[in-house]
Formats: sequence, structure tokens, C-alpha cells
Amino acid sequence: DVVMTQSPLSLPVTLGQPASISCKSSQSLVLSDGNTHLHWFQQRPGQSPRRLISRISDRDSGVPDRFSGSGSGTDFTLKISRVEAEDVGVYHCMQGSHWPYTFGQGTKLEIK
Amino acid sequence: EVQLVESGGGLVQPGGSLRLSCAASGVTFSVSWMAWVRQAPGKGLEWVALMNPDGTTRNYVDSVKGRFTISRDNAEKSLYLHMNSLRAEDTGVYYCARDSLYGSLDYWGQGTQVTVSS
Repeated sequence: DVVMTQSPLSLPVTLGQPASISCKSSQSLVLSDGNTHLHWFQQRPGQSPRRLISRISDRDSGVPDRFSGSGSGTDFTLKISRVEAEDVGVYHCMQGSHWPYTFGQGTKLEIK
Repeated sequence: EVQLVESGGGLVQPGGSLRLSCAASGVTFSVSWMAWVRQAPGKGLEWVALMNPDGTTRNYVDSVKGRFTISRDNAEKSLYLHMNSLRAEDTGVYYCARDSLYGSLDYWGQGTQVTVSS
């Protein structure tokens, strides 16, 4: 199975400051058709997960443009340009290139 | 508005069985890949099973193969997870979700709690 490793696992951030989460896969997520199925989800406290970004960098409608995704191959990053209070929660990366699809351990973002 | 509503969770003894249901509305269910994802207490998310629109393809994570069965009724817009031989490690919140493409889960239910304990 593809192992997804996120870092850091805990991310205290001051309001208005940037935040960055790394996600590394144990093997390349690039398929033979050139697509890379790496997605990001946000899970606010007490809520179900919500998709933020699909296929590395495609932001969902309604997701603020302060969220951005980047990366390729085995290394991916979720960035928040200026953290707001509503961003508190756990962020999960997930690969859908190889079955079984697998999630990272989750990164808990909190306000300092 | 898309809604996925799970039901059927509860407390069950080890070795017991449960059937989870997920009722969909506001989505074209019959053409949607559907999935079950779970979350153990204080842990991350884990894929459990995935089914294609016509029910001819079912994928399972190794830890549930032979014990869990995913199924669907497109006429009723419902997804099911039949869980047998339940173990303590199956405890968690089970989410129903739509897979728009290669694991890109665009809609999620609110989850149903499954607790396996004697």
C-alpha cells in the first residue's frame, strides 16, 4: 500500500500568518495518463471532512483562495497564505492513484 | 442540495454483525461511484470500500476483505455496508461519500458511530 506521510502533525499558527503542510507518498502518484490523484481535505472540529483541493491544485468552489496546493511525483504541499480562525481543524492528504487509496495521518492546525 | 445520510450504527459485540445504510438525495446516485470511509477514535481517515455505479466493481481495504460487503440500490438511491465478524479495531465513525474521480470525495455524510465491544 502507498504510505502517505504528513508533516508536521501539529501546527500552531498565529492568526494572519502563513501555514504549510507537507505530504509525501511512498511511491509516485503519477499515472500513465499523466494524471496525479492527490487530494486535500479539511475536517473542522466535530464535523465531517470536506474536500478542499483535488488533483494537487484544483481548489473546490467556495474554498477561499488563501488555500493552495502544489507538488508533483511524491512530494506535495498545502499552503494557507494567511490563517484565519475558521481554518482550525485537521487537514488530510489522500492519494487516489493506487488502490487501496490511502490518507495521511492528518495535521492538526491550531491558533497560537 | 446534496445530502448523504448514514444510519445503522450502534454497539455490537465482537464477532457480531451490523448493516450500515446511506440515503442519498440531490445527487445523480445511479452514475456515482460511492465509498465508505472510517475514522477510529482520535485517528486518521481510512478507506473501507468503493463501488462503481452499476455495482459490478467493488474494492475493499485488506483489513475488511471477506468480512464486509458493499452494496447499493440505485432505485432507492441507497448505499449499504454489511459488516460481519466485527472486531474491536472496526470501532469508529463510518462515513458514506461520493467519489467523483479517483478518490476525490466531493460529498460526505455526517457519519454513523460503530462501537465493537463486549
